[in-house]
Amino acid sequence: SQQGEEDPQALSIQEGENATMNCSYKTSINNLQWYRQNSGRGLVHLILIRSNEREKHSGRLRVTLDTSKKSSSLLITASRAADTASYFCATDAGGPSWSYGKLTFGQGTILTVHP
Amino acid sequence: NAGVTQTPKFRVLKTGQSMTLLCAQDMNHEYMYWYRQDPGMGLRLIHYSVGEGTTAKGEVPDGYNVSRLKKQNFLLGLESAAPSQTSVYFCASSYPKDRGTEAFFGQGTRLTVV
Repeated sequence: SQQGEEDPQALSIQEGENATMNCSYKTSINNLQWYRQNSGRGLVHLILIRSNEREKHSGRLRVTLDTSKKSSSLLITASRAADTASYFCATDAGGPSWSYGKLTFGQGTILTVHP
Repeated sequence: NAGVTQTPKFRVLKTGQSMTLLCAQDMNHEYMYWYRQDPGMGLRLIHYSVGEGTTAKGEVPDGYNVSRLKKQNFLLGLESAAPSQTSVYFCASSYPKDRGTEAFFGQGTRLTVV
């Protein structure tokens, strides 16, 4: 079963606009990660946020985590046509003291950025 | 700087045939994983390994077997392929770290079972 639900399923914006994607999950987690997948390619890691963190930045990416609501959001600022891809959140539930890195993925958000 | 390499990239099988997918990583990672991705869905974990000689079942293990005889390689086998196993298969690896760390993915194997 899928751990996460992503919203929206598809997002279409113009270059220069911001894109926000949301992810909800069901169980407690060690960390939550966001991955990007270009059409027909493998997944590329974007950012990881641990359960004791609330916000993290990496370049044009901003991720927030609200463990009380079991939700996360990914914000891409000043979008570019090259950001067109599918974006997945993945949770690492692990155990109380260790993680074997098993990830549970959401269904993904398809982002299209028009030039 | 190869990272995670999967072979083959594409394969068409007839129902009942068998095949092995190979995953190789050059990052000396302890942990390796096999996922499958179906249209409109995220990835689902098939099997994983936390070290050489060890394997464990993931969320959707039925119809698959795995082996990790060498640390750098993780093999996924289909003994008798079924149309329901038509999917894109991804291998990934990561290293032990308290509270987890990122996974590195291969480019995928697109398998069609007819």
